[in-house]
Amino acid sequence: SAVISQKPSRDICQRGTSLTIQCQVDSQVTMMFWYRQQPGQSLTLIATANQGSEATYESGFVIDKFPISRPNLTFSTLTVSNMSPEDSSIYLCSVLTDPSTDTQYFGPGTRLTVL
Amino acid sequence: GQNIDQPTEMTATEGAIVQINCTYQTSGFNGLFWYQQHAGEAPTFLSYNVLDGLEEKGRFSSFLSRSKGYSYLLLKELQMKDSASYLCAVRATDSWGKLQFGAGTQVVVTP
Repeated sequence: SAVISQKPSRDICQRGTSLTIQCQVDSQVTMMFWYRQQPGQSLTLIATANQGSEATYESGFVIDKFPISRPNLTFSTLTVSNMSPEDSSIYLCSVLTDPSTDTQYFGPGTRLTVL
Repeated sequence: GQNIDQPTEMTATEGAIVQINCTYQTSGFNGLFWYQQHAGEAPTFLSYNVLDGLEEKGRFSSFLSRSKGYSYLLLKELQMKDSASYLCAVRATDSWGKLQFGAGTQVVVTP
């Protein structure tokens, strides 16, 4: 499996501000995804980060609120815009690295608290 | 769409066996995954089933029945460190690798 890092690991932000989360992989991967995990909940897919094109968002998530970039096959960013306390969550990136099973591996996550 | 059900919590004693069931409904099935997640940490991959039957990996085994839309994760010789949330996730055929996660089962291992 790949080594996945995320920055920052945690942050406390003020309402109305924006935070950009970075996800870096140590090898080229075909697919990268962004998930949200709210306190006590399971994982919810936000979007698929597509290399060289606009991300594909799941129902309930929009580009204006969660802009995503993926400039190459090893890096992606997720921005949480105009934050509110409801955005307090853990944000995780994941990647597909095993072509035989398409297993997803997760980064360590970014714990975001919005005051 | 997909609907994935698993129990909320299970408690077992150190050294015992616990079986976590997962039922799913999906329009086109293309694999079932189990992940372990300790509190405050990211999910880690445990097992993958795409064909019917049992996959064994040390103390952990996972079973799949596609006709019944059913899987279980079997944890043997439980250790305290196995206390965690166990997530069942299903991939659909038209999902481009995306996973739909169940709510997770919190396993509590007691001495």
